[in-house]
Amino acid sequence: RKEVEQDPGPFNVPEGATVAFNCTYSNSASQSFFWYRQDCRKEPKLLMSVYSSGNEDGRFTAQLNRASQYISLLIRDSKLSDSATYLCVVTPSGGYNKLIFGAGTRLAVHP
Amino acid sequence: DARVTQTPRDKVTEMGQEVTMRCQPILGHNTVFWYRQTMMQGLELLAYFRNRAPLDDSGMPKDRFSAEMPDATLATLKIQPSEPRDSAVYFCASGLVEGGGYYNEQFFGPGTRLTVL
Repeated sequence: RKEVEQDPGPFNVPEGATVAFNCTYSNSASQSFFWYRQDCRKEPKLLMSVYSSGNEDGRFTAQLNRASQYISLLIRDSKLSDSATYLCVVTPSGGYNKLIFGAGTRLAVHP
Repeated sequence: DARVTQTPRDKVTEMGQEVTMRCQPILGHNTVFWYRQTMMQGLELLAYFRNRAPLDDSGMPKDRFSAEMPDATLATLKIQPSEPRDSAVYFCASGLVEGGGYYNEQFFGPGTRLTVL
């Protein structure tokens, strides 16, 4: 079983739609959680950190459920520019900033 | 705008040849990571350094891969001899770790796209 699992998609949604991605992780001692975004043939970039209390950044909301060991990302009012692969990332306990990446969920927003 | 730089951006080589990839981390960052990305495996951590000292290279095939940081501005990843299964995009990332070692953002370079024929 992979340490971080995501639905690969693709999620094909129209502009303006709300879309949600989930991710599960296997190590209950994982410390930190993030969503990264990767555009086609580009490097990953940090989208947002995920806190136990949940956090919001504009149209993006991330939530963490430690009991169920899952992380979610909600995108409201999707834009064409949101089309990308979204990578779920965790750091293991004592991992000195080591990042474990999920395989990513591909999102395609169409007009 | 500080960025991680990587060279070369693209490399095509023949099986058995040595390949060297270079990375210049963001000035002032004390942690450097090497990742490999393929369609099948996604992003895998190969090795990382803190203050130029290797912390973990368990993700790297030891017989053919080596990673070093000759100085704070240069990290290298070598493959010798290269094999077709090494074809992938290799990313370098850097970050600044302070205090208790809690996570700070990692900044990725543009990657080296390696093709081994």
